[in-house]
Amino acid sequence: NAGVTQTPKFRILKIGQSMTLQCTQDMNHNYMYWYRQDPGMGLKLIYYSVGAGITDKGEVPNGYNVSRSTTEDFPLRLELAAPSQTSVYFCASSYSAGSTADTQYFGPGTRLTVL
Amino acid sequence: TQLLEQSPQFLSIQEGENLTVYCNSSSVFSSLQWYRQEPGEGPVLLVTVVTGGEVKKLKRLTFQFGDARKDSSLHITAAQPGDTGLYLCAGDRGSTLGRLYFGRGTQLTVWP
Repeated sequence: NAGVTQTPKFRILKIGQSMTLQCTQDMNHNYMYWYRQDPGMGLKLIYYSVGAGITDKGEVPNGYNVSRSTTEDFPLRLELAAPSQTSVYFCASSYSAGSTADTQYFGPGTRLTVL
Repeated sequence: TQLLEQSPQFLSIQEGENLTVYCNSSSVFSSLQWYRQEPGEGPVLLVTVVTGGEVKKLKRLTFQFGDARKDSSLHITAAQPGDTGLYLCAGDRGSTLGRLYFGRGTQLTVWP
């Protein structure tokens, strides 16, 4: 099992450009999450999905969009990149929530710089 | 505002010392998780505590969940350079969505 994979690992964008961050998991997990991590700020939830075709906003969704057409893939789209979106982005997945949160498995991250 | 407050933010100690990291909130959590993150990698789960007052040990690491399920602590005995990393606490408020609320993290550096 590869677990959670993310591409690209690094990317530099110009203001106003668009890009898609890819995330794939091979663990047949229903739940998937996108976080951003800024220095000293922990992880902030951008969007999450509880299954194919179902997505919802997290804490900081502005400027981002997601889709979940398959169980395995959960891409994150930036439409008009802004310097405030410079961050490290992590994708995570978990099997289920149940009565207590299940383990979240994280990808290696995508480091994005917007200039 | 941060739902979970972690302290200290930075900790720099010598090998062999003991340390404690705190994770506090005014909110009640169904469970609390502790993750460790190394540079260039994603966080990796260390432990989940579920019951108020629960204590879990993982080799030299001891995790405690407060009786009221509002706070947690991580204690490391005889720290080693391999313990260096970012330690994150994350709370689950009991929704069926598996949503976690993360603290800001404690950056631990252990010098040989």
